[in-house]
Amino acid sequence: KNEVEQSPQNLTAQEGEFITINCSYSVGISALHWLQQHPGGGIVSLFMLSSGKKKHGRLIATINIQEKHSSLHITASHPRDSAVYICAVRYSQKLVFGQGTRLTINP
Amino acid sequence: EAQVTQNPRYLITVTGKKLTVTCSQNMNHEYMSWYRQDPGLGLRQIYYSMNVEVTDKGDVPEGYKVSRKEKRNFPLILESPSPNQTSLYFCASSPNAGEGPHEQYFGPGTRLTVT
Repeated sequence: KNEVEQSPQNLTAQEGEFITINCSYSVGISALHWLQQHPGGGIVSLFMLSSGKKKHGRLIATINIQEKHSSLHITASHPRDSAVYICAVRYSQKLVFGQGTRLTINP
Repeated sequence: EAQVTQNPRYLITVTGKKLTVTCSQNMNHEYMSWYRQDPGLGLRQIYYSMNVEVTDKGDVPEGYKVSRKEKRNFPLILESPSPNQTSLYFCASSPNAGEGPHEQYFGPGTRLTVT
């Protein structure tokens, strides 16, 4: 069993829809990261969470430490949000990644 | 501009020919790390370094070497590359090496093909 599980693996939605991507992990962590990877490969850090909730523009990330679960939400989705979203957890000195969620937003 | 740089960005090489991928950060970060990304396997950690002269294995260290002689540089060395090391490689850095939440900064990636 992977230490970090993301769902769904693929998600296609229409522009304007509310998007939720989920991440569950099985180890005690010091932080959880949400990353974005556009076609072409570069990785951008969206959020770093150790508790609660964070918001940047249309993106919201939440974490429940007791349930070992985090969600990434996108409100009013747009085609430019199409990318792979990756959850990563830090424990000890290591970073362990989920498999990623490929999001496609159609106009 | 604060950044992590990697060179080369693309490399095609042959089995057994030693190569080095350089990684440099200009943010005075303590922690640096190398990852490889493969279809169906996602990102996996190869090696990490908590500070100068301090390195440790990640989840997939076989076939790789690293060194951390200066704080800003963390090269990845493939002494005898093999086709199963064909992958997309990312270097990343983080301000602190200790426990706790620390932001991660990724380089642009190096696409390596070993024939």
